[in-house]
Amino acid sequence: AQSVAQPEDQVNVAEGNPLTVKCTYSVSGNPYLFWYVQYPNRGLQFLLKYITGDNLVKGSYGFEAEFNKSQTSFHLKKPSALVSDSALYFCAVRDNTGGFKTIFGAGTRLFVKA
Amino acid sequence: DAGITQSPRHKVTETGTPVTLRCHQTENHRYMYWYRQDPGHGLRLIHYSYGVKDTDKGEVSDGYSVSRSKTEDFLLTLESATSSQTSVYFCAIRPGGTDYGYTFGSGTRLTVV
Repeated sequence: AQSVAQPEDQVNVAEGNPLTVKCTYSVSGNPYLFWYVQYPNRGLQFLLKYITGDNLVKGSYGFEAEFNKSQTSFHLKKPSALVSDSALYFCAVRDNTGGFKTIFGAGTRLFVKA
Repeated sequence: DAGITQSPRHKVTETGTPVTLRCHQTENHRYMYWYRQDPGHGLRLIHYSYGVKDTDKGEVSDGYSVSRSKTEDFLLTLESATSSQTSVYFCAIRPGGTDYGYTFGSGTRLTVV
């Protein structure tokens, strides 16, 4: 069965510092991996995806993610955090069987302090 | 969010009553999904649709049913609402193919009293 884990409920970082939000996954077959962001009282917004190719994927708002097959990880990163990056971040893995359902992690809340 | 709307945005209902939530899209996307969001659980899939009249269950489908009679509309019905179904419900859409992420609606906050 496909699964995804986000080991940190919350990440705190100072503005201007680099940030990392961790994600590990379990899939059978090739992984399709995604990151989404949710701002207060909003739906989720797609940030980036890994399907195949380069292990470093670039996405919206200056975010990037590093795919590591041997560690089954897909960590979200940003070189310099902004206060406006404070939000709830979800890692997700797509079930590559019929229906292509996406399974979400429990989410990590990011606080960026000025 | 552009191309997908959910209604109502907020609803309070009594235990035992039926409730229907609506998801409407203007993108002509094949796939539509209903998720619920609860603290500590992230998003959990309730039901999904891969075409008109083609639906299937997700991981938390008990007590819910869905219908998709038109490409643009995907309805979620709580047959007899319970307090455990108090949640925020999100609809998501996706075109065919495996490379695409979801586009989410703004959500429906449902309270069952």
